Amino acid sequence: DTEVTQTPKHLVMGMTNKKSLKCEQHMGHRAMYWYKQKAKKPPELMFVYSYEKLSINESVPSRFSPECPNSSLLNLHLHALQPEDSALYLCASSLQGALSSGNTIYFGEGSWLTVV
Amino acid sequence: GEDVEQSLFLSVREGDSSVINCTYTDSSSTYLYWYKQEPGAGLQLLTYIFSNMDMKQDQRLTVLLNKKDKHLSLRIADTQTGDSAIYFCAEGGGYQKVTFGIGTKLQVIP
Repeated sequence: DTEVTQTPKHLVMGMTNKKSLKCEQHMGHRAMYWYKQKAKKPPELMFVYSYEKLSINESVPSRFSPECPNSSLLNLHLHALQPEDSALYLCASSLQGALSSGNTIYFGEGSWLTVV
Repeated sequence: GEDVEQSLFLSVREGDSSVINCTYTDSSSTYLYWYKQEPGAGLQLLTYIFSNMDMKQDQRLTVLLNKKDKHLSLRIADTQTGDSAIYFCAEGGGYQKVTFGIGTKLQVIP
């Protein structure tokens, strides 16, 4: 099973709303990632969690707040977003925290976010 | 910094072979990946190759790596209409970080 599950698949939120994106994997992976993908662009890394600790934050605005409650779950809390934050948000996971043998990265189907 | 380049568009006839090319700049890349993205969907890992390999074959897919020229290619044999998608080349360079190319849109003409 190489499955990363993301919910919701679609989310529409106002600029004053607070919402969360959720991601789950049961492959025993110890690194989890959030990527953002705008239309017709490649995915861009936002955050990396390794062994449930935040290891990389790619200078993401504080209106995006990641959380890793346990090794299987990764959340992205959203607050006071702007319309330009509308994008596909992809969660991914990999077996180990650092690039090493067999450490391929598996992506979920993504959550389509529209900020109105 | 890392940079991955690939052409934007490729059109082939059904049954022909498709070759999608990619160049990268980070010579310390450990992994090189090919991901497929269908419209409205997430990324599907198609295949990957270690930087110490020259070639990897997996059913209809053949990956060739020229490490000297930092050139990666993906060949899809007997291309089908279901192969129509965007194909992203990506390189795993620094710690946990994967850099994606802009994606090549493959159009398969029946």
